[in-house]
Amino acid sequence: QSALTQPPSASGSPGQSVTISCTGTSNDVGGHNYVSWYQHHPGKAPKLLIYKVNVRPSGVPDRFSGSKSGNTASLTVSGLQAEDEGDYYCNSYAGTYWLFGGGTKLTVL
Amino acid sequence: QVQLQESGPGLVKPSGTLSLTCVISSDSITIGDIGNWWAWVRQPPGKGLEWIGEISHSGNTNYNPSLKSRVTISIDKSKNQFSLKLKSVTAADTAVYYCATAGAWKLDPWGQGILVTVSS
Repeated sequence: QSALTQPPSASGSPGQSVTISCTGTSNDVGGHNYVSWYQHHPGKAPKLLIYKVNVRPSGVPDRFSGSKSGNTASLTVSGLQAEDEGDYYCNSYAGTYWLFGGGTKLTVL
Repeated sequence: QVQLQESGPGLVKPSGTLSLTCVISSDSITIGDIGNWWAWVRQPPGKGLEWIGEISHSGNTNYNPSLKSRVTISIDKSKNQFSLKLKSVTAADTAVYYCATAGAWKLDPWGQGILVTVSS
C-alpha cells in the first residue's frame, strides 16, 4: 500500500482560495466515502478539519470544505488567512487499514 | 471533553521494543464505550503522518500492513488506557508518536505526541 498523493506545496494570498488534492485508488479514496483532512502545525497535535469527505466538525470555520470525485479528494480553503499556514494531510479508509497522504505545506503569501 | 496523553521512554535501543501508553481523560467517555476505536499515528522527522493501527473497545485490532509483523496494540479498561508495542526497532522508527480517538470514521481528538528516538 502506498501513501495517498498530495502536492508537496500550495500557496495563496490572504483572501484567496486554495485547493489541495489527494489522489488514491479505487481501493481507498475511490472506494469509500471515508476521507478526512487534518491541519498540522509543528509541535502541536493535528486538528481535524473534514471527515466523511465533506463533513465539517463543529468549531471548524466554513472556509474549509471537502469534496471527492473518483479517486481524488480535495480540500478547499476559501478566504485564506495567515493562521491557515501549515501542513495539511488527507486520510482515507482502505478496507482494513487507513492511509495518509504525504502532506501539503500551505503558505499564505 | 476528551483528552489523551502519551507516555513512555523517549529513547529506545536498536533491535529493542518501543512501548508507549495513551491515557484517556474524560468525564463522559471510557475506553470501553461501544463504538469507540483508539489509534496510533507517527511522524518521522521531516516526513508525513503514518497510520500505525487501531483497537476497538472490545479489543479488535487493525494494523498497517507494512508494520503488522512488529506491532501490537492492546487495551486496559481498568486504567482507561491503551498501549503500543513495536518490536525490533531501527532508526527508521524514530518519530513523534500520537494517540487519537478513532470513532465515527475520524481521528479526533489527538494527544500532543511523544518523541521516541531509536539510538544506541
